[in-house]
Amino acid sequence: AQKITQTQPGMFVQEKEAVTLDCTYDTSDQSYGLFWYKQPSSGEMIFLIYQGSYDEQNATEGRYSLNFQKARKSANLVISASQLGDSAMYFCAMRDKLNTDKLIFGTGTRLQVFP
Amino acid sequence: NAGVTQTPKFQVLKTGQSMTLQCAQDMNHEYMSWYRQDPGMGLRLIHYSVGAGITDQGEVPNGYNVSRSTTEDFPLRLLSAAPSQTSVYFCASSYLRTGGGYGYTFGSGTRLTVV
Repeated sequence: AQKITQTQPGMFVQEKEAVTLDCTYDTSDQSYGLFWYKQPSSGEMIFLIYQGSYDEQNATEGRYSLNFQKARKSANLVISASQLGDSAMYFCAMRDKLNTDKLIFGTGTRLQVFP
Repeated sequence: NAGVTQTPKFQVLKTGQSMTLQCAQDMNHEYMSWYRQDPGMGLRLIHYSVGAGITDQGEVPNGYNVSRSTTEDFPLRLLSAAPSQTSVYFCASSYLRTGGGYGYTFGSGTRLTVV
């Protein structure tokens, strides 16, 4: 069965440092997409970054990059130069079948950035 | 451009009552879906629709009903509310990304409490 695993319930990072949030996935499909979302305390889901299974290069969006290791089925999020406003829950998600519209989420990682 | 609009933002129901959570999008996206988020968990898919007149069940469909009469609207009906349906509900619409894959836009959520 398709599954997303986030093994870090909580992470701390000092402002201006980089942090990596781990995500592993399990799917038998060859074509899939991987997402990271940020959920601040206000509750909205904010899209951060997307990686397609056939993309040859790791995705980057500003301070966010995705370390995609297909053979290991991992899709870790790297946040560079952390800011206090990065404190939030972070969710990894996968969309695995072309003909359905199903996002499978991990349980999330709470990131706290301290001065 | 309002994106995905959910109403209401908060709702308290008594056990056994019925209600409809509204979701509307103005981006002409074909795919729409409903998720619920329980404490300590990621989002789980309730129902989804790949176009007007077409709906299908997700991971946790019991106790919920949907219909899709227009591209813009995708209401979620609770038939007879139960305390187990206390949750935060998110509506999302998805679109084909430039370069491949799908992107998702989420509404701001509805916090539902069933007493």
